[in-house]
Amino acid sequence: GNSVTQMEGPVTLSEEAFLTINCTYTATGYPSLFWYVQYPGEGLQLLLKATKADDKGSNKGFEATYRKETTSFHLEKGSVQVSDSAVYFCALSDRGNGQNFVFGPGTRLSVLP
Amino acid sequence: EADIYQTPRYLVIGTGKKITLECSQTMGHDKMYWYQQDPGMELHLIHYSYGVNSTEKGDLSSESTVSRIRTEHFPLTLESARPSHTSQYLCASSEGGRGVTEAFFGQGTRLTVV
Repeated sequence: GNSVTQMEGPVTLSEEAFLTINCTYTATGYPSLFWYVQYPGEGLQLLLKATKADDKGSNKGFEATYRKETTSFHLEKGSVQVSDSAVYFCALSDRGNGQNFVFGPGTRLSVLP
Repeated sequence: EADIYQTPRYLVIGTGKKITLECSQTMGHDKMYWYQQDPGMELHLIHYSYGVNSTEKGDLSSESTVSRIRTEHFPLTLESARPSHTSQYLCASSEGGRGVTEAFFGQGTRLTVV
């Protein structure tokens, strides 16, 4: 079946540090890939997405590239801010799975001033 | 901005009570979902719907039930709440059809059963 694995947290960084959160996936078809962010007490918000191999999704300084050869979709940001502190979820949606979304376990990021 | 709403945001209720968590979306989406989120953050799909009169059970077994009488409305009901039902419940929706688009989430309902 389809699955998503992401690096375990929590991740603690200082402000302006470089961020990488690793995400790898297993899918039987040709999935679309997503990163969602959840701030405390809120639902999930879409951060970025990519729908085919080699696509790069980007938003608010975050980037991720769909790598089919390594089945990865790592999230990166060059300089994190305190306001980026949240939980980040990698997810996929695969037409072969009835387009239900499969989420990774989430990675908690804390950015210290 | 997502137009999907959940009520109530917070609910504290006694054991044995019947509760309904409301979820409505104004985007005309065919697919809707309910997730249970445990304290460790992981999301578990408990119910989903392809459209009106369609309901399916998700990956995690749940004692809750859902209905989909109108496209925009997907309520979740617990007939007899128990402390083990204490959790965060997230509702989401997405477009149906062959194209894959993102899921939009409500703000969640945090349920505490005492």
